[in-house]
Amino acid sequence: GDSVTQMEGPVTLSEEAFLTINCTYTATGYPSLFWYVQYPGEGLQLLLKATKADDKGSNKGFEATYRKETTSFHLEKGSVQVSDSAVYFCALRTNQAGTALIFGKGTTLSVSS
Amino acid sequence: EPEVTQTPSHQVTQMGQEVILRCVPISNHLYFYWYRQILGQKVEFLVSFYNNEISEKSEIFDDQFSVERPDGSNFTLKIRSTKLEDSAMYFCASTPQGDPNQPQHFGDGTRLSIL
Repeated sequence: GDSVTQMEGPVTLSEEAFLTINCTYTATGYPSLFWYVQYPGEGLQLLLKATKADDKGSNKGFEATYRKETTSFHLEKGSVQVSDSAVYFCALRTNQAGTALIFGKGTTLSVSS
Repeated sequence: EPEVTQTPSHQVTQMGQEVILRCVPISNHLYFYWYRQILGQKVEFLVSFYNNEISEKSEIFDDQFSVERPDGSNFTLKIRSTKLEDSAMYFCASTPQGDPNQPQHFGDGTRLSIL
Protein backbone atom coordinates (compact mmCIF):
# COMPACT_ATOMS: atom_id res chain seq x y z
CA GLY A 1 0.00 0.00 0.00
CA ASP A 2 0.88 3.65 -0.12
CA SER A 3 3.34 4.83 2.50
CA VAL A 4 5.65 7.65 3.55
CA THR A 5 9.07 7.24 5.13
CA GLN A 6 10.78 10.06 6.97
CA MET A 7 14.21 10.28 8.46
CA GLU A 8 14.37 9.42 12.12
CA GLY A 9 14.71 12.27 14.55
CA PRO A 10 15.27 14.16 16.63
CA VAL A 11 17.22 16.66 14.60
CA THR A 12 19.13 19.15 16.73
CA LEU A 13 20.57 22.26 15.09
CA SER A 14 22.00 25.61 16.03
CA GLU A 15 20.27 28.76 14.87
CA GLU A 16 21.09 29.69 11.25
CA ALA A 17 22.12 26.14 10.36
CA PHE A 18 20.92 24.44 7.17
CA LEU A 19 18.08 21.97 7.54
CA THR A 20 17.22 18.91 5.51
CA ILE A 21 14.54 16.42 6.51
CA ASN A 22 14.35 13.49 4.13
CA CYS A 23 11.05 12.09 2.94
CA THR A 24 10.43 9.32 0.44
CA TYR A 25 7.15 7.80 -0.58
CA THR A 26 5.58 4.74 -2.17
CA ALA A 27 2.37 5.25 -4.08
CA THR A 28 0.52 4.13 -7.15
CA GLY A 29 -0.03 6.87 -9.65
CA TYR A 30 0.89 10.47 -8.94
CA PRO A 31 0.03 11.57 -5.45
CA SER A 32 -0.01 15.09 -4.09
CA LEU A 33 2.66 15.67 -1.45
CA PHE A 34 2.52 17.81 1.66
CA TRP A 35 4.58 18.92 4.62
CA TYR A 36 2.68 19.65 7.82
CA VAL A 37 4.16 21.18 10.97
CA GLN A 38 3.04 20.67 14.55
CA TYR A 39 4.27 23.25 17.05
CA PRO A 40 4.29 22.24 20.73
CA GLY A 41 0.77 21.95 22.07
CA GLU A 42 -0.85 22.78 18.76
CA GLY A 43 -2.52 21.00 15.87
CA LEU A 44 -1.26 20.27 12.39
CA GLN A 45 -0.65 23.18 10.06
CA LEU A 46 0.04 22.92 6.37
CA LEU A 47 3.56 24.14 5.66
CA LEU A 48 3.77 23.56 1.91
CA LYS A 49 2.58 21.29 -0.86
CA ALA A 50 3.37 20.07 -4.38
CA THR A 51 0.88 18.42 -6.67
CA LYS A 52 2.94 17.17 -9.60
CA ALA A 53 6.44 16.13 -10.53
CA ASP A 54 9.10 18.86 -10.39
CA ASP A 55 6.78 21.23 -8.53
CA LYS A 56 8.48 23.12 -5.72
CA GLY A 57 6.46 24.03 -2.68
CA SER A 58 7.70 26.87 -0.51
CA ASN A 59 6.60 28.77 2.58
CA LYS A 60 8.30 30.64 5.45
CA GLY A 61 11.73 29.92 3.98
CA PHE A 62 11.07 26.17 3.72
CA GLU A 63 11.19 24.42 0.35
CA ALA A 64 10.54 20.94 -0.99
CA THR A 65 10.66 19.65 -4.56
CA TYR A 66 8.52 16.79 -5.83
CA ARG A 67 11.01 14.32 -7.35
CA LYS A 68 9.21 11.56 -9.17
CA GLU A 69 12.39 9.80 -10.28
CA THR A 70 13.56 9.35 -6.69
CA THR A 71 10.05 9.35 -5.14
CA SER A 72 11.23 11.99 -2.70
CA PHE A 73 10.00 15.25 -1.21
CA HIS A 74 12.81 16.42 1.08
CA LEU A 75 12.22 19.49 3.22
CA GLU A 76 14.95 22.14 3.31
CA LYS A 77 15.56 25.50 4.91
CA GLY A 78 18.68 27.55 4.49
CA SER A 79 18.79 29.12 7.95
CA VAL A 80 16.66 27.77 10.78
CA GLN A 81 15.40 29.80 13.72
CA VAL A 82 14.53 28.80 17.27
CA SER A 83 10.89 29.34 16.36
CA ASP A 84 11.14 26.53 13.79
CA SER A 85 11.38 23.98 16.60
CA ALA A 86 8.46 21.63 15.97
CA VAL A 87 7.53 18.22 14.61
CA TYR A 88 7.44 18.00 10.82
CA PHE A 89 5.28 15.49 9.00
CA CYS A 90 5.56 14.48 5.38
CA ALA A 91 2.28 13.25 3.88
CA LEU A 92 0.77 12.13 0.61
CA ARG A 93 -2.69 12.00 -0.80
CA THR A 94 -3.59 9.91 -3.83
CA ASN A 95 -5.53 11.29 -6.75
CA GLN A 96 -8.96 10.13 -5.75
CA ALA A 97 -11.72 12.32 -4.45
CA GLY A 98 -11.80 12.71 -0.70
CA THR A 99 -8.97 10.34 0.09
CA ALA A 100 -7.18 10.56 3.37
CA LEU A 101 -3.69 11.78 4.03
CA ILE A 102 -1.03 9.18 4.68
CA PHE A 103 1.56 10.51 7.08
CA GLY A 104 5.14 9.70 7.86
CA LYS A 105 6.16 9.20 11.48
CA GLY A 106 7.23 12.79 11.93
CA THR A 107 10.62 14.33 12.59
CA THR A 108 11.24 16.44 15.66
CA LEU A 109 13.39 19.49 15.04
CA SER A 110 15.00 21.30 17.94
CA VAL A 111 16.84 24.56 17.24
CA SER A 112 18.98 26.21 19.90
CA SER A 113 20.27 29.76 20.00
CA GLU B 1 -9.08 33.07 8.46
CA PRO B 2 -11.75 30.42 9.13
CA GLU B 3 -10.55 27.42 11.08
CA VAL B 4 -11.60 24.00 12.27
CA THR B 5 -12.48 24.00 15.96
CA GLN B 6 -12.50 21.01 18.26
CA THR B 7 -13.92 20.55 21.73
CA PRO B 8 -12.97 19.68 24.35
CA SER B 9 -9.23 20.25 24.18
CA HIS B 10 -8.70 17.51 26.77
CA GLN B 11 -11.06 14.70 27.77
CA VAL B 12 -10.41 12.27 30.61
CA THR B 13 -12.68 9.21 30.68
CA GLN B 14 -12.87 5.94 32.57
CA MET B 15 -12.28 2.78 30.56
CA GLY B 16 -15.53 1.35 29.23
CA GLN B 17 -17.30 4.71 29.11
CA GLU B 18 -18.62 6.32 25.96
CA VAL B 19 -16.99 9.50 24.73
CA ILE B 20 -18.02 12.00 22.07
CA LEU B 21 -15.46 14.27 20.47
CA ARG B 22 -16.80 17.32 18.69
CA CYS B 23 -15.61 19.25 15.69
CA VAL B 24 -16.90 22.25 13.80
CA PRO B 25 -15.42 22.13 10.29
CA ILE B 26 -14.95 25.21 8.17
CA SER B 27 -18.41 26.30 7.06
CA ASN B 28 -18.23 25.80 3.30
CA HIS B 29 -16.27 22.55 3.48
CA LEU B 30 -17.86 19.31 2.32
CA TYR B 31 -15.38 16.56 3.25
CA PHE B 32 -14.61 15.78 6.87
CA TYR B 33 -12.01 13.53 8.45
CA TRP B 34 -10.91 12.14 11.77
CA TYR B 35 -7.33 11.17 12.49
CA ARG B 36 -5.61 10.06 15.66
CA GLN B 37 -2.07 10.31 16.95
CA ILE B 38 -0.99 8.03 19.74
CA LEU B 39 1.72 9.70 21.80
CA GLY B 40 5.05 9.60 19.99
CA GLN B 41 3.63 7.88 16.93
CA LYS B 42 2.48 8.98 13.51
CA VAL B 43 -0.84 10.49 12.62
CA GLU B 44 -3.24 7.77 11.45
CA PHE B 45 -6.39 8.12 9.36
CA LEU B 46 -9.62 6.90 10.94
CA VAL B 47 -12.51 7.91 8.70
CA SER B 48 -13.71 10.32 6.05
CA PHE B 49 -17.25 11.59 5.65
CA TYR B 50 -19.06 13.16 2.73
CA ASN B 51 -22.70 13.82 1.93
CA ASN B 52 -23.82 12.44 5.28
CA GLU B 53 -22.14 9.11 4.95
CA ILE B 54 -18.77 7.47 5.50
CA SER B 55 -16.75 7.53 2.29
CA GLU B 56 -13.66 5.74 3.55
CA LYS B 57 -12.45 4.17 6.79
CA SER B 58 -9.33 2.47 8.06
CA GLU B 59 -9.04 -0.84 9.89
CA ILE B 60 -8.70 1.14 13.13
CA PHE B 61 -12.27 2.39 12.71
CA ASP B 62 -14.05 -0.69 14.04
CA ASP B 63 -17.55 -1.10 15.46
CA GLN B 64 -16.61 0.85 18.58
CA PHE B 65 -16.37 4.01 16.53
CA SER B 66 -19.07 6.02 14.81
CA VAL B 67 -19.33 9.43 13.22
CA GLU B 68 -22.24 11.74 12.78
CA ARG B 69 -23.12 15.14 11.47
CA PRO B 70 -26.06 15.88 13.76
CA ASP B 71 -26.70 19.36 12.41
CA GLY B 72 -25.35 21.73 9.79
CA SER B 73 -22.19 22.59 11.67
CA ASN B 74 -20.99 19.83 14.00
CA PHE B 75 -19.13 16.64 13.10
CA THR B 76 -18.72 14.16 15.94
CA LEU B 77 -16.67 11.06 16.66
CA LYS B 78 -18.14 8.65 19.20
CA ILE B 79 -16.23 5.86 20.87
CA ARG B 80 -18.78 3.50 22.38
CA SER B 81 -16.78 1.68 25.05
CA THR B 82 -13.35 3.16 25.47
CA LYS B 83 -10.21 1.11 25.93
CA LEU B 84 -6.85 2.14 27.33
CA GLU B 85 -5.36 2.00 23.85
CA ASP B 86 -7.82 4.66 22.66
CA SER B 87 -5.74 7.23 24.53
CA ALA B 88 -4.46 9.55 21.84
CA MET B 89 -4.78 12.97 20.28
CA TYR B 90 -7.73 13.05 17.90
CA PHE B 91 -7.69 15.51 15.03
CA CYS B 92 -10.57 16.62 12.89
CA ALA B 93 -9.93 17.97 9.39
CA SER B 94 -11.96 19.28 6.49
CA THR B 95 -11.62 20.23 2.83
CA PRO B 96 -13.94 22.24 0.60
CA GLN B 97 -14.15 19.41 -1.91
CA GLY B 98 -12.58 16.09 -2.69
CA ASP B 99 -9.77 17.50 -4.81
CA PRO B 100 -6.64 15.67 -3.61
CA ASN B 101 -4.59 18.78 -4.39
CA GLN B 102 -6.48 20.72 -1.75
CA PRO B 103 -4.82 20.60 1.66
CA GLN B 104 -6.80 19.42 4.62
CA HIS B 105 -7.36 21.98 7.36
CA PHE B 106 -6.84 20.56 10.82
CA GLY B 107 -8.17 21.52 14.20
CA ASP B 108 -5.94 21.74 17.27
CA GLY B 109 -7.04 18.31 18.42
CA THR B 110 -8.64 16.73 21.46
CA ARG B 111 -6.35 14.88 23.82
CA LEU B 112 -8.25 11.80 25.03
CA SER B 113 -6.95 10.11 28.16
CA ILE B 114 -8.49 6.79 29.18
CA LEU B 115 -7.97 5.76 32.80
